[in-house]
Amino acid sequence: ETGVTQTPRHLVMGMTNKKSLKCEQHLGHNAMYWYKQSAKKPLELMFVYSLEERVENNSVPSRFSPECPNSSHLFLHLHTLQPEDSALYLCASSQSAGNTEAFFGQGTRLTVV
Amino acid sequence: ELKVEQNPLFLSMQEGKNYTIYCNYSTTSDRLYWYRQDPGKSLESLFVLLSNGAVKQEGRLMASLDTKARLSTLHITAAVHDLSATYFCAVDILGGADGLTFGKGTHLIIQP
Repeated sequence: ETGVTQTPRHLVMGMTNKKSLKCEQHLGHNAMYWYKQSAKKPLELMFVYSLEERVENNSVPSRFSPECPNSSHLFLHLHTLQPEDSALYLCASSQSAGNTEAFFGQGTRLTVV
Repeated sequence: ELKVEQNPLFLSMQEGKNYTIYCNYSTTSDRLYWYRQDPGKSLESLFVLLSNGAVKQEGRLMASLDTKARLSTLHITAAVHDLSATYFCAVDILGGADGLTFGKGTHLIIQP
């Protein structure tokens, strides 16, 4: 139990589908992150939220849309994805955005067909 | 742009041997993190190094940080099979709030 829970653990979706990934942290942290882990690339930071405000968006395509309704929950809304978006999506949290000792969830393995 | 380079990217070694994984980064930072990832699982935090000269040890793993050289090492002593995993180093920009930049990871296989 890492204190950061992601659902679903596995997701297969078509290119025309709309789906959402969910992340919940039980650590009382104020910052949450989405990372993408592809087979042949380093972990890529996608989004950073601090106190529910987005503070970083690393040139992520608009087909990925984050939402942070409160400091404990983070969503990643997906629509019209491409096969190259297939990857492991990891959520993480830290005490604050300036304190980046991050604790990771188990990840969602996404396959786009 | 912060770049983080690990080497080697792949390492196969026998139990009982010692080895070192290196992590170089390209810009000023005094916060470096080591993570472990088992296949199909998430990242587990191993070490947090917060100052020049920091050294931390846990079991057969020891991590150190030289901020002047922009280098961290993860040393494995008398390796055992259970240490087989992928090891990542990660750095954040000094004073930044942009999350971590990761190396590509070192895939470590320890054979009996």
